[in-house]
Amino acid sequence: GQQLNQSPQSMFIQEGEDVSMNCTSSSIFNTWLWYKQDPGEGPVLLIALYKAGELTSNGRLTAQFGITRKDSFLNISASIPSDVGIYFCASNSGNTPLVFGKGTRLSVIA
Amino acid sequence: GAVVSQHPSWVICKSGTSVKIECRSLDFQATTMFWYRQFPKQSLMLMATSNEGSKATYEQGVEKDKFLINHASLTLSTLTVTSAHPEDSSFYICSADRGLTQPQHFGDGTRLSIL
Repeated sequence: GQQLNQSPQSMFIQEGEDVSMNCTSSSIFNTWLWYKQDPGEGPVLLIALYKAGELTSNGRLTAQFGITRKDSFLNISASIPSDVGIYFCASNSGNTPLVFGKGTRLSVIA
Repeated sequence: GAVVSQHPSWVICKSGTSVKIECRSLDFQATTMFWYRQFPKQSLMLMATSNEGSKATYEQGVEKDKFLINHASLTLSTLTVTSAHPEDSSFYICSADRGLTQPQHFGDGTRLSIL
């Protein structure tokens, strides 16, 4: 089925550094979502994007919906230890089921 | 606070047991809920779409007689893993959305371990 290409797969960064991850798709979507999952828990919504070109921030997080509607990026500025976790991009169109990326595992070294 | 509640959070049982997992939408009605399975270090894989008042839609390769889904009310969907075996051990997660332009919110997941 459809799949999102998410990169990088994993990142090891120093506390205070900025982080960037992205997702691409061969299909056009109307919605791009970014979730964070901590071990043993369900994904928690970070940012939702609904419009091509839209740039949205949530605290230290910023995400953009690509103008072609086939990609999105998530940036985290000034990373802190609690940013550790797995970040997933997800997309859909209308009320179709979400398609997920494979996740980016973020490790922050204090 | 949480908008989707999932219960139980953790189940350990013997092979051959049937296990029921509940997913509830809190303070909103969800005509559609989704059930996912996640293996260690992997992404979420959609198992089925649960439709209130009608049959669930299963993804290819998911046995509908093995994974029974019931969505009897607008706030509750249940997933029953029938005659569970060790290979069914996984992290099961449900989600619901408030409407067409609303993002899906996920439950906290159920860790199922079959001995």
